[in-house]
Amino acid sequence: KAGVTQTPRYLIKTRGQQVTLSCSPISGHRSVSWYQQTPGQGLQFLFEYFSETQRNKGNFPGRFSGRQFSNSRSEMNVSTLELGDSALYLCASSLGEASYGYTFGSGTRLTVV
Amino acid sequence: QKEVEQNSGPLSVPEGAIASLNCTYSDRGSQSFFWYRQYSGKSPELIMFIYSNGDKEDGRFTAQLNKASQYVSLLIRDSQPSDSATYLCAVLKTSYDKVIFGPGTSLSVIP
Repeated sequence: KAGVTQTPRYLIKTRGQQVTLSCSPISGHRSVSWYQQTPGQGLQFLFEYFSETQRNKGNFPGRFSGRQFSNSRSEMNVSTLELGDSALYLCASSLGEASYGYTFGSGTRLTVV
Repeated sequence: QKEVEQNSGPLSVPEGAIASLNCTYSDRGSQSFFWYRQYSGKSPELIMFIYSNGDKEDGRFTAQLNKASQYVSLLIRDSQPSDSATYLCAVLKTSYDKVIFGPGTSLSVIP
């Protein structure tokens, strides 16, 4: 059974640019959650999508957005990149609700210069 | 007050000893609790989850939950150098809510 696939693994972008990250959950999993991980803030919740609908949202500015497709694949977009957006972005997959825990992808390391 | 708190460590234990990792949470209505392990440069992986007060054992790992004290812990028996990692405590209020992670505790097992 394939795991959670995140692409790309690494990205270097310039301030002001925008970026799109992709996540394919485990087959059959319908929920995808996104987290930002930085050394100073730890794992911060961005948003969760279930059946193409945003079910939960964290406290991030509107520059951070996401969506989910009918095949449960999800994308997140960050517009007008800032230096502080440099982080590891992790996607987490679960069947439908999180009671049994997540399976994380390998993450996308974003560096904003 | 942060929603989920952990001692940042680093916690150092000798090989073969018991490592004890602690976590407190602020929302008394929280229902599900998780421990994840994250090796340096890797993504978190689920070790255990616990819902009910008391202990839950899985191999060398024991999770302990005390909802009255809003406290959850992870014990690692017979610690091995391969257990050296950051351990993340996570809390879920309801099944369809977001999972909140603590800052993690760095564990180092010394051979």
